[in-house]
Amino acid sequence: AQSVAQPEDQVNVAEGNPLTVKCTYSVSGNPYLFWYVQYPNRGLQFLLKYITGDNLVKGSYGFEAEFNKSQTSFHLKKPSALVSDSALYFCAVRPYTGFQKLVFGTGTRLLVSP
Amino acid sequence: NAGVTQTPKFRILKIGQSMTLQCTQDMNHNYMYWYRQDPGMGLKLIYYSVGAGITDKGEVPNGYNVSRSTTEDFPLRLELAAPSQTSVYFCASSYYDRVGHQPQHFGDGTRLSIL
Repeated sequence: AQSVAQPEDQVNVAEGNPLTVKCTYSVSGNPYLFWYVQYPNRGLQFLLKYITGDNLVKGSYGFEAEFNKSQTSFHLKKPSALVSDSALYFCAVRPYTGFQKLVFGTGTRLLVSP
Repeated sequence: NAGVTQTPKFRILKIGQSMTLQCTQDMNHNYMYWYRQDPGMGLKLIYYSVGAGITDKGEVPNGYNVSRSTTEDFPLRLELAAPSQTSVYFCASSYYDRVGHQPQHFGDGTRLSIL
């Protein structure tokens, strides 16, 4: 069965500094990986996905994620954080082939201070 | 283009009451899902549907029922509300073709309290 771990409940970063939100996964076969963001009182919004190919994936709002197969990680990154990036971030995984349920991590709250 | 629309946004129920959470999507997605979100627990899949007339259980289906009579609508039914069902409920939809699954699109949720 697939699983996702987001080891940090909260990440604090100052505006303008780079940010990283960590995610590790476990899945049978090749993974299909996602990052979603959730703002207060809203549903999850898709940020980016990894299927195959380049290990560095670029997504919405200047975010990117680096896929590392040997470390089974898919960390979310941004070179320069904005206060408006403050939100709850979810990593999710499922096997690439066939239909399998998407499994979400427990979420990491990102707080960007001015 | 409205995407995924959920109603109501908020609801308070008494123990033992029943209600239906509505979900509709206008993107012609074949797959639809119901999740619940509890603090610190991420999202748990309740039920999903691969197309009209076809539904299946997710991780936490007990106490819930669904139906999918049309591509657009996927209502979630609580028959006998219990305090453990206090949660935020999200409906989502996605498209699956030979290329594979496209990202899920989420509604803004229904916040349900059972007292």
